[in-house]
Amino acid sequence: QKEVEQNSGPLSVPEGAIASLNCTYSDRGSQSFFWYRQYSGKSPELIMFIYSNGDKEDGRFTAQLNKASQYVSLLIRDSQPSDSATYLCAVKVWGGYNKLIFGAGTRLAVHP
Amino acid sequence: KAGVTQTPRYLIKTRGQQVTLSCSPISGHRSVSWYQQTPGQGLQFLFEYFSETQRNKGNFPGRFSGRQFSNSRSEMNVSTLELGDSALYLCASSPTGGRADYEQYFGPGTRLTVT
Repeated sequence: QKEVEQNSGPLSVPEGAIASLNCTYSDRGSQSFFWYRQYSGKSPELIMFIYSNGDKEDGRFTAQLNKASQYVSLLIRDSQPSDSATYLCAVKVWGGYNKLIFGAGTRLAVHP
Repeated sequence: KAGVTQTPRYLIKTRGQQVTLSCSPISGHRSVSWYQQTPGQGLQFLFEYFSETQRNKGNFPGRFSGRQFSNSRSEMNVSTLELGDSALYLCASSPTGGRADYEQYFGPGTRLTVT
């Protein structure tokens, strides 16, 4: 079992819809969770991080964390074609300092 | 504030050679982490340096090494290059180490091709 799992996609949504990206993790010692966006040929760009159970909103993005279920998700409201990218979920574990464990990423395609 | 910078951006090397990559973190950031990204394995943690000390290391062979200088700039070295070392090498900086909520910011990466 991989430590951080994501559906590879592609997840295809129409412009203006809500895109829902999911991530599960196996280590219960995981302390904080990050979502990065990566365009083809570019480096990852931090979108959001969350470390408490519940929801965290930032503009069109909402991160949701459920530690009991070991599940974290990212919702993108009013999806735009410019949101088309690979979304990487990353986890930081207690005692790992700044080591991030990444999932394989979910490719999102927003079509007009 | 200037972002994370990495040099060189592209590199072509031959099997058996060695290579050194450089990373300058965001001003004031003291933690530098290195990652390797390949299509098959995704993003994998190589090591982290904080205050010139390696604090954590991933599951890579000893051919991969690094160091950090007193100004927080970091270098990583790969000796005896293999074809499988072809990858995008990413450097990430953080303000400090240990707190759960400190995020990491990535540089543009160095694309290494081994022929």
